[in-house]
Amino acid sequence: KNEVEQSPQNLTAQEGEFITINCSYSVGISALHWLQQHPGGGIVSLFMLSSGKKKHGRLIATINIQEKHSSLHITASHPRDSAVYICAVPGGGGSQGNLIFGKGTKLSVKP
Amino acid sequence: DTEVTQTPKHLVMGMTNKKSLKCEQHMGHRAMYWYKQKAKKPPELMFVYSYEKLSINESVPSRFSPECPNSSLLNLHLHALQPEDSALYLCASSQGPGLTNYGYTFGSGTRLTVV
Repeated sequence: KNEVEQSPQNLTAQEGEFITINCSYSVGISALHWLQQHPGGGIVSLFMLSSGKKKHGRLIATINIQEKHSSLHITASHPRDSAVYICAVPGGGGSQGNLIFGKGTKLSVKP
Repeated sequence: DTEVTQTPKHLVMGMTNKKSLKCEQHMGHRAMYWYKQKAKKPPELMFVYSYEKLSINESVPSRFSPECPNSSLLNLHLHALQPEDSALYLCASSQGPGLTNYGYTFGSGTRLTVV
């Protein structure tokens, strides 16, 4: 079973700062998901990536398949970015479609 | 339509009640999932439906009964729940089993409180 580790668990930043959240996993995968969850809310898929780098607005996600590591970056952070960010990888050998989740990184951006 | 719609958004039920949670998607996805999320914890898988057939049941108590009447709809029937079952219940869908690369989409969840 894949083990997913995220760091840091909690992160407080000032508005405008550059944010990095890290994710590592133990078993090779075909794709990795970055997800966002606001307090009390549902989950929004930010990125699915299998190699290299993806960018969407102020969010950038990178993955190094060989090192089994991914990072999520937020440039020019804003208080509305405050949320839990979750890294997830396919579970069940990738054959059943379910995801295995990291414990999440709680980000708080202060104005 | 690129959404997974869950109803109701909030549900309060007694331990003797029977209720159902509903999940709907019209993206043509052939795999649908139920996850349970307790406060400040990551989601935990409950059930996977693949092409309308139950493919994974993660040892969930029988007081939770899933149903997939067609490829767009997924229900979770609840009966004789316990207060510890209070949680956020999330539905998700993806293009197909094993195809987690494509279209993995979550609903906004049903916040369930058992009293």
